Amino acid sequence: QVQLQESGPGPVKPSETLSLTCTVSGGSISSSSYYWGWIRQPPGKGLEWIGSIYYSGSTFYTPSLKSRLTISMDTSKNQFSLNLSSVTAADTAVYYCARLKAGKWGDYWGQGTLVTVSS
Amino acid sequence: DIQMTQSPSTLSASVGDRVTITCRASQSISSWLAWYQQKPGKAPKLLIYDASSLESGVPSRFSGSGSGTEFTLTISSVQPDDFATYYCQQCNSYPWTFGQGTKVEIK
Repeated sequence: QVQLQESGPGPVKPSETLSLTCTVSGGSISSSSYYWGWIRQPPGKGLEWIGSIYYSGSTFYTPSLKSRLTISMDTSKNQFSLNLSSVTAADTAVYYCARLKAGKWGDYWGQGTLVTVSS
Repeated sequence: DIQMTQSPSTLSASVGDRVTITCRASQSISSWLAWYQQKPGKAPKLLIYDASSLESGVPSRFSGSGSGTEFTLTISSVQPDDFATYYCQQCNSYPWTFGQGTKVEIK
């Protein structure tokens, strides 16, 4: 059974960098069958796709975050990561990592981690 | 970006009712559409992909249809476990986008 778990340092101050890691178990992120993605959800609001990464290292970012966003992967640890720089209160959200089958559909998700941007 | 609009935003139903949720895309997305169910404090769960393909393990009372710009999610007989918020998602072109959600409440 594939499992994903987000981890991160907790609260982030405005203008700092938000860093999250997703650890995958029960499957390899080096598989050519899947992409791996990040999705966020501000409190009480809907879902926003952030970006995704393929085993080859190819990345796809939502344009509104592209200038601040980096998604990377560490195949030796079976992890992929998100770095979002220059954060503001608008970046406060629950951040989910997910496996994307066919590069599109989130069939396995992490439990989500709330990241609060506050001074 | 492709805009996804769901209707209604909230829906009240009784157990056993047939429920239909609509999702409209701002431009054609062929059949590149998924439906997710989300319960409070939980991650979304994939129900339907490719507009009408039922994800493994999802009860057959859920079905999806449509293509182009108009899509529907139908629950043939709503069960207590189905009261949740439902989202559509398009994957025709980047960035992938979601509808705003439809909350299915108990009447």
